[in-house]
Amino acid sequence: SQTIHQWPATLVQPVGSPLSLECTVEGTSNPNLYWYRQAAGRGLQLLFYSVGIGQISSEVPQNLSASRPQDRQFILSSKKLLLSDSGFYLCAWTVGYEQYFGPGTRLTVT
Amino acid sequence: AQSVTQLDSHVSVSEGTPVLLRCNYSSSYSPSLFWYVQHPNKGLQLLLKYTSAATLVKGINGFEAEFKKSETSFHLTKPSAHMSDAAEYFCVVSDPNFGNEKLTFGTGTRLTIIP
Repeated sequence: SQTIHQWPATLVQPVGSPLSLECTVEGTSNPNLYWYRQAAGRGLQLLFYSVGIGQISSEVPQNLSASRPQDRQFILSSKKLLLSDSGFYLCAWTVGYEQYFGPGTRLTVT
Repeated sequence: AQSVTQLDSHVSVSEGTPVLLRCNYSSSYSPSLFWYVQHPNKGLQLLLKYTSAATLVKGINGFEAEFKKSETSFHLTKPSAHMSDAAEYFCVVSDPNFGNEKLTFGTGTRLTIIP
């Protein structure tokens, strides 16, 4: 069966520090992959999605970037974090009409 | 562009009573609609989906939703609430130009179950 992993589960970083969040999928090949952010008390905002290795579409201009170095690996990065980057980051992938979500990473920027 | 409006940010019901979480959508095309549930500090889990088949959709954990095109609604219901149903619920619509590539999420409804 397919599973999706995210790490770390929680992260506290100072303003201006770099960021790297990793997402990997098992049990499938060539998945469509997504990064979402969920701010406190708000819905999910799509940040990036990828339909293949090296193919990244950005939905929201900001200081974040994404990369897909391998078929089942999706990385979210930042060179310098802002306070507004705090939130719950979710990775997802699609099967047919459905999106399946990872357990998420809670990022607090101090 | 499509959009989703969840009419209640917070719903409280007593255990054993019915649950109704309301959702209205806006879309220029026939949409695909979903309900997801999120327990605290967890990822989202798909409850059910509508993809232009039967208008009454049954999901997991006893939940169901009815697609009503005339009312542009997709309300989530459950006959009898259980304590484990306490969570955040999201109504979601897919972008018809991108299929399941782009989902638009509502702002969520927090469901509280009163013992």
